[in-house]
Amino acid sequence: SQTIHQWPATLVQPVGSPLSLECTVEGTSNPNLYWYRQAAGRGLQLLFYSVGIGQISSEVPQNLSASRPQDRQFILSSKKLLLSDSGFYLCAWSYGLAGERDTQYFGPGTRLTVL
Amino acid sequence: AQSVTQLDSQVPVFEEAPVELRCNYSSSVSVYLFWYVQYPNQGLQLLLKYLSGSTLVKGINGFEAEFNKSQTSFHLRKPSVHISDTAEYFCAVTLRGSGDKLTFGTGTRLAVRP
Repeated sequence: SQTIHQWPATLVQPVGSPLSLECTVEGTSNPNLYWYRQAAGRGLQLLFYSVGIGQISSEVPQNLSASRPQDRQFILSSKKLLLSDSGFYLCAWSYGLAGERDTQYFGPGTRLTVL
Repeated sequence: AQSVTQLDSQVPVFEEAPVELRCNYSSSVSVYLFWYVQYPNQGLQLLLKYLSGSTLVKGINGFEAEFNKSQTSFHLRKPSVHISDTAEYFCAVTLRGSGDKLTFGTGTRLAVRP
């Protein structure tokens, strides 16, 4: 079966510090991968998605970036965090095949607090 | 572009009572529809989905939803709720064949009281 991991689970960082969040998927090959942010009291906002290694599409211009160095690894980064980057970050995957590819499965999330 | 509206931000209900969480979408083309549940400080768990076929979809934990194309709705229902159903519920839509962009509603907090 497929599983998705995210770490760290929680993170407290000062403003201006760098960020690296990691997401890995097990049990499937060539998945589509997604990063979402959920701000307090709001819905989910799609930040990035990737259909393959090195292929990243950005949905929202911001000071965050994403990379996919391996097939089942997705990394969210920032060089300098802002207060507004605080939130709950969720990684998700979907099958890279027609038919099932439209269902996304989510990881446990990372709670980021920027002080 | 598609959009999703969840009119109720909070729904309080007593244990063992029925509940309906409303979801309306707008799209000019065919869509896939989803309901996810989020327990505190956890990721989203898929409750059910409508891709095609029967408009009544049954999911986990006793939930079901009905796709109504004429009313562009996909309301979530459960005939008898438990305390453990207290959570945030998100409706989401994606265009058929796109797969890349799930659009979420703002969520409905279901609060089940004893």
